[in-house]
Order: sequence, then C-alpha cells, then structure tokens
Amino acid sequence: QSALTQPASVSGSPGQSITISCTGTSSDVGGYNYVSWYQQHPGKAPKLMICEVSNRPSGVPDRFSGSKSGNTASLTISGLQAEDEADYYCSSYTSSTTLVFGDGTRVTVL
Amino acid sequence: QVQLMQSGGEVKKPGASVKVSCQASGYTFTTYDITWVRQAPGQGLEWMGWLSGSNGNTNYAQKFQGRVTMTTDTSTSTAYMELRSLRSDDTAVYYCTRDPGAATLDYWGQGSLVTVSS
Repeated sequence: QSALTQPASVSGSPGQSITISCTGTSSDVGGYNYVSWYQQHPGKAPKLMICEVSNRPSGVPDRFSGSKSGNTASLTISGLQAEDEADYYCSSYTSSTTLVFGDGTRVTVL
Repeated sequence: QVQLMQSGGEVKKPGASVKVSCQASGYTFTTYDITWVRQAPGQGLEWMGWLSGSNGNTNYAQKFQGRVTMTTDTSTSTAYMELRSLRSDDTAVYYCTRDPGAATLDYWGQGSLVTVSS
C-alpha cells in the first residue's frame, strides 16, 4: 500500500487561508468517507483535527475544515495563526482493511 | 479524561525483541479498539496494525506479519505491542492510539522511543 500523496510544504501569512491536498486512489480516499487529518508539533504526538472527511472533533477550532472530491481529500486552514505551524498528515481506510497515511506536509506561517 | 500512558524508551540490539505497553484510563477499555502507529526519526507516520479492545482480534500490516504481536490485558486496561527480530530500521517512536472506528485515531499515547543499535 503506497502512502497517500501530500505536498511536502505549504506556507502562508497570518490570517490567510491555505489548503493541503491528499491524493490517493479509488481503493482508499476515493472509495470511503474515512479520511482523517492529524496535526503534529515537533516532539509531540499527533492530534486528530478532522475525521470522516469533514467532521471536526470537539475542541478543534472551526478554522480547520476538510473536504473530498474523487480521490483527493483536502484540509483547509482559514485565518492562519502562528500556532498552526506544524506537520499535517492525512490518513484513509483502504479496501485491504488497513490504514494508510500521507507523506506529511510541513505548514509554515510566514 | 482519556489518557494512554506508554512505557519508557528502550535500547535493543539487532535481532532482539521489544514489548511496548499502553495503559488506558478515562474510558471503558473494551469498548474501543487500539491501533499502533510508528514514526522513524524525521519520517512520516506508519500504520502497524489494529487490535480489538473487546475480543483481542487483530489485523496487522503485511509489512509486519510474522514479526509483530498485539495483545490486551483487560484486567489492567493495557495493550501491548511486541516486535521481534529487530533491525536498525525499526528505530522509531511507537504510538498507541484509541480507535473508535471509522479509521479515526482520536487519542494518542505520548510515544515510546525504541532504538535498535549494536
């Protein structure tokens, strides 16, 4: 199972909006609404930000949103803040009943 | 509040085995599954496998088949991940996570660093 494809890095200025893509296949992202997004700050454990494509767990700011079109899922951060600088990983359920992660995207706040 | 407390870091020689523990608290252990994820230094996340908290059923990533065993002790709300025949590229932080279903990992342990070195 190959990793899902994410851009290596995305940057934006405070207050701007950025979007991170996560591209898979019809056997994972495109086949199921089981895409999640995780935020990881250096030296910390990942934190769930979005589940089931677009659901935001309690406590996650509403500037984080998720969507999906075909084999590509996206995470949008609106009103970018300094504390959003981190690594972001997508994940998807697969037809092999496994879980696959994306390569990860480093978000830099300029 | 939900917590997953993992065992401390370990240093192992190539060919040895390691067993990482993950004690859960703040929820009913048997109503959620546990998924194990690892992260090599400077690398991304890698799914290792899933373990049912209710009946002990498992589903391992093909890459680890034959080398990994995931178990639970419901009496102490603890999950275990044992990895055998360690190699240098098994050096990583190993995370246990709570899995409520829908391929969602909603709570993560603090991670256990396993270093494989001769």
